[in-house]
Amino acid sequence: GENVEQHPSTLSVQEGDSAVIKCTYSDSASNYFPWYKQELGKRPQLIIDIRSNVGEKKDQRIAVTLNKTAKHFSLHITETQPEDSAVYFCAAPNDYKLSFGAGTTVTVRA
Amino acid sequence: SQTIHQWPATLVQPVGSPLSLECTVEGTSNPNLYWYRQAAGRGLQLLFYSVGIGQISSEVPQNLSASRPQDRQFILSSKKLLLSDSGFYLCAWSKGLENTEAFFGQGTRLTVV
Repeated sequence: GENVEQHPSTLSVQEGDSAVIKCTYSDSASNYFPWYKQELGKRPQLIIDIRSNVGEKKDQRIAVTLNKTAKHFSLHITETQPEDSAVYFCAAPNDYKLSFGAGTTVTVRA
Repeated sequence: SQTIHQWPATLVQPVGSPLSLECTVEGTSNPNLYWYRQAAGRGLQLLFYSVGIGQISSEVPQNLSASRPQDRQFILSSKKLLLSDSGFYLCAWSKGLENTEAFFGQGTRLTVV
């Protein structure tokens, strides 16, 4: 089965700085890597995803990079803003089983 | 468009009482369905997933069970709740036969007292 590890567990950044969260996965057959954002008391929602045939994907201030050889992928948030404060989860579905990392609590300091 | 309904939003139950949480999906057929539990300040623990009617896979041994009586209905149950069952329960669905985006219900905050 798939094992997803996520680091760091907490991240505090100054507004305007960048934030990077890293995940590793174990199953080399995994081919889809989404990132979810969960605001306090709310449901997780997809913010960006990448498939295994692509090395990088960008959407405005967020980007995801994938290294299939090393089996890790990362979320990059640039020019952080207060509304970026949330818990972020990576996931690596395999055989329709959706396993998540432990989550990273991001706090953006004004 | 597809929607997912999960209820109730909050629930306070005494220890030893039964539990039934229901989740339904509209606007799609043959979805993959999931139940997750999230303890306070913790990650998303996969409890059960289902790729078809009557097909339930359990991820962790526990006091809970799941059923899928209809294609777009997923139910989480317990015969006797424990204090440790408290948490935030999330139902989710994704397109069948694909590894793709998962959509979450609003969640149920369960407090066992």
